[in-house]
Amino acid sequence: EAQVTQNPRYLITVTGKKLTVTCSQNMNHEYMSWYRQDPGLGLRQIYYSMNVEVTDKGDVPEGYKVSRKEKRNFPLILESPSPNQTSLYFCASSRGQVDIQYFGAGTRLSVL
Amino acid sequence: DAKTTQPPSMDCAEGRAANLPCNHSTISGNEYVYWYRQIHSQGPQYIIHGLKNNETNEMASLIITEDRKSSTLILPHATLRDTAVYYCIVRKSSNTGKLIFGQGTTLQVKP
Repeated sequence: EAQVTQNPRYLITVTGKKLTVTCSQNMNHEYMSWYRQDPGLGLRQIYYSMNVEVTDKGDVPEGYKVSRKEKRNFPLILESPSPNQTSLYFCASSRGQVDIQYFGAGTRLSVL
Repeated sequence: DAKTTQPPSMDCAEGRAANLPCNHSTISGNEYVYWYRQIHSQGPQYIIHGLKNNETNEMASLIITEDRKSSTLILPHATLRDTAVYYCIVRKSSNTGKLIFGQGTTLQVKP
């Protein structure tokens, strides 16, 4: 089954403790992206990747890192999480940057 | 990318057609209209998209006006599982891939 898989689905952590949210897709898609969703602000793009080893900043990249060493994986790294990064995170992938995007189920992160 | 305007909420009776409007009066010639929906904090789900012509797939129909300044998403026989937030997105044919989600329309399907 074609899917985008995020892990973990739920995470509670403390300020400053590094964490990684994984994202994996099995559709051989070139394009992958991370969004965060906050009440009243909608979904906002954090980072995106056009292909392996090609990443770029979205609208709200501060405090986040990403890597794209393999086509299927696009992890989101929070080196030193802060409470303002408490949010619902979604990973998405598509064949190309203008194709239909498929979203993961989401990761709900709470930073205390 | 052009801005879209949608009503904040709508109700629909189960089994009836749900017609969700979207205004995109500043749309330009190379911008597509996409519709996604989000069911209760799940990942957004693609529904349909179009450029000029009306489109239909197994989920819905998309009607785009001739001047392309507005469109309507039609769910022909709404079920309770169609209760969700529906987003109308206008997107260039070549961009960074970013989808700009507005506030959307919360559709409540009632028994």
